Amino acid sequence: GAGVSQSPSNKVTEKGKDVELRCDPISGHTALYWYRQSLGQGLEFLIYFQGNSAPDKSGLPSDRFSAERTGGSVSTLTIQRTQQEDSAVYLCASSVTSGGSTTDTQYFGPGTRLTVL
Amino acid sequence: AQKVTQAQTEISVVEKEDVTLDCVYETRDTTYYLFWYKQPPSGELVFLIRRNSFDEQNEISGRYSWNFQKSTSSFNFTITASQVVDSAVYFCALSVGNTDKLIFGTGTRLQVFP
Repeated sequence: GAGVSQSPSNKVTEKGKDVELRCDPISGHTALYWYRQSLGQGLEFLIYFQGNSAPDKSGLPSDRFSAERTGGSVSTLTIQRTQQEDSAVYLCASSVTSGGSTTDTQYFGPGTRLTVL
Repeated sequence: AQKVTQAQTEISVVEKEDVTLDCVYETRDTTYYLFWYKQPPSGELVFLIRRNSFDEQNEISGRYSWNFQKSTSSFNFTITASQVVDSAVYFCALSVGNTDKLIFGTGTRLQVFP
């Protein structure tokens, strides 16, 4: 079946502009995660969704970052007033579920490369 | 606090050599999961293996094998008879708690030369 998809694959924006990154999880996966991969910070967790709720937002670096998920499927990560340090690859992952008696495998999308000029 | 350490930043080998990638983790939880992912030059993270803390059996999958030792908090990955296609960055990750978020190591870049 189809894997996790993300769009756009590349995004170049000017400092101060807002950007939206989209993630389509694997069909039927209730858990969705956003991570960021940058040279200085490696791979870091941003936010987790179970269904449409986000019980863990602890990784969001500032209040300029927000995310939502609708219909238990598509998620959008929004970065307001982008800064140069926001430049990174933003990765989305989904798993069948989470938080239960076992941990399911997270499958990753191809990522969105964000460049802030 | 949870942490994953991959001390080897970069490893270079010649094709057909065996290579071991080290992973050391820290957690106070008794229930946790360990993962390895491969990130080829294309950039997408590819799942390789998941292991829970109660299963210390080693696992072999083709040329890949994993050695999990709770006594040393290590989960090492060995590639036997390496091939050029194995060239990638390999990440070890730890998952704990209710959200199952992944805590990644810094990765090991493996270069396999023909």
